[in-house]
Amino acid sequence: DAGVIQSPRHEVTEMGQEVTLRCKPISGHNSLFWYRQTMMRGLELLIYFNNNVPIDDSGMPEDRFSAKMPNASFSTLKIQPSEPRDSAVYFCATCRDNQETQYFGPGTRLLVL
Amino acid sequence: QKEVEQNSGPLSVPEGAIASLNCTYSDRVSQSFFWYRQYSGKSPELIMSIYSNGDKEDGRFTAQLNKASQYVSLLIRDSQPSDSATYLCAVNMNYGQNFVFGPGTRLSVLP
Repeated sequence: DAGVIQSPRHEVTEMGQEVTLRCKPISGHNSLFWYRQTMMRGLELLIYFNNNVPIDDSGMPEDRFSAKMPNASFSTLKIQPSEPRDSAVYFCATCRDNQETQYFGPGTRLLVL
Repeated sequence: QKEVEQNSGPLSVPEGAIASLNCTYSDRVSQSFFWYRQYSGKSPELIMSIYSNGDKEDGRFTAQLNKASQYVSLLIRDSQPSDSATYLCAVNMNYGQNFVFGPGTRLSVLP
């Protein structure tokens, strides 16, 4: 299996622009998690989906952030408009419904200027 | 506020020594505990999971859990320079699959 796939791997954008991060889970994994990692705040859970349904989005920082999972093979995390404080590494992780071992993607390194 | 705490380090140990990493958590009803390793610039990868009080060994790694003290630790025997990384403690706070990660401890194994 190819593992969790994220794109893009690096993104540099200007403040105010829309940013879309993408994640393809491991086949058969029906739980998907979006995390953000910074030096100051560590690894924070933003939102997680189970069977394509958002279960807990309490970690989403504000309305500028939105996430979707239209099908079992794809999820997006969108930031609109982006701000410099959104600069971080964004990880997608997935696991099987009856297991707790999460497999992380390689991450997207976002820099908002 | 559900919290997981770790010493940020850096923790420096000589090659061949035992490295001891500690983690405390605030939610007494937590049931599942994990140690992840993260190399610089890479994504976290699972090393160990533990669910019951006591020790769990896997190769050079031993996880220890004490639910009464709300404490989980990771011992790395015969530490190698390749073990140098940040170690993240994660706790499933027993509501769905909502994991809370600690800030991580940076370990440096000196040759």
